[in-house]
Amino acid sequence: NAGVMQNPRHLVRRRGQEARLRCSPMKGHSHVYWYRQLPEEGLKFMVYLQKENIIDESGMPKERFSAEFPKEGPSILRIQQVVRGDSAAYFCASSLSGNSNQPQHFGDGTRLSIL
Amino acid sequence: DAKTTQPPSMDCAEGRAANLPCNHSTISGNEYVYWYRQIHSQGPQYIIHGLKNNETNEMASLIITEDRKSSTLILPHATLRDTAVYYCIVRVDYGQNFVFGPGTRLSVLP
Repeated sequence: NAGVMQNPRHLVRRRGQEARLRCSPMKGHSHVYWYRQLPEEGLKFMVYLQKENIIDESGMPKERFSAEFPKEGPSILRIQQVVRGDSAAYFCASSLSGNSNQPQHFGDGTRLSIL
Repeated sequence: DAKTTQPPSMDCAEGRAANLPCNHSTISGNEYVYWYRQIHSQGPQYIIHGLKNNETNEMASLIITEDRKSSTLILPHATLRDTAVYYCIVRVDYGQNFVFGPGTRLSVLP
């Protein structure tokens, strides 16, 4: 079974550009979570999506950040007009359901560097 | 969220058992205890989880005290590849995200 796939693994953008991060969940998983990890810090929750719906976006900045999980295709985390402070590792996780007995399985992340 | 407390770092000799403790004294009855680890530059890896009973899988064992206020993750025969940051997390509610604390940095020494 393929795990959670994220691409690209590394992404370099200049200030003001847009960054698009993709996440394909594990087969059969319809729940997707995005986390951000700043250097030398722990993972921080950003947003939780279920197919075509945003369930919880309490951890996502109100400006410049958006996420989607369409009926077909991967989940996308989009950052507009990137700034230096957006440099981080962005991890996606998926689960079979939202039940607390279901583990989340993580991808290996996208490392975003802003020049 | 119930908060967890873990030692910041631990050492373990290669081939010996690694016992990683976690305190979660405010845990409630329907909260699961999860363990993940993160090896440098990789995504967090799921290890094991449990509610009340002890659990074992191919990676580790999870021992939860009877009052559920603490737990121990046991790696029975640690190898150098087990060097990582280990996170103990408690989780309740449908769809709730995981809250990662600083974890325990385990160093397995040759």
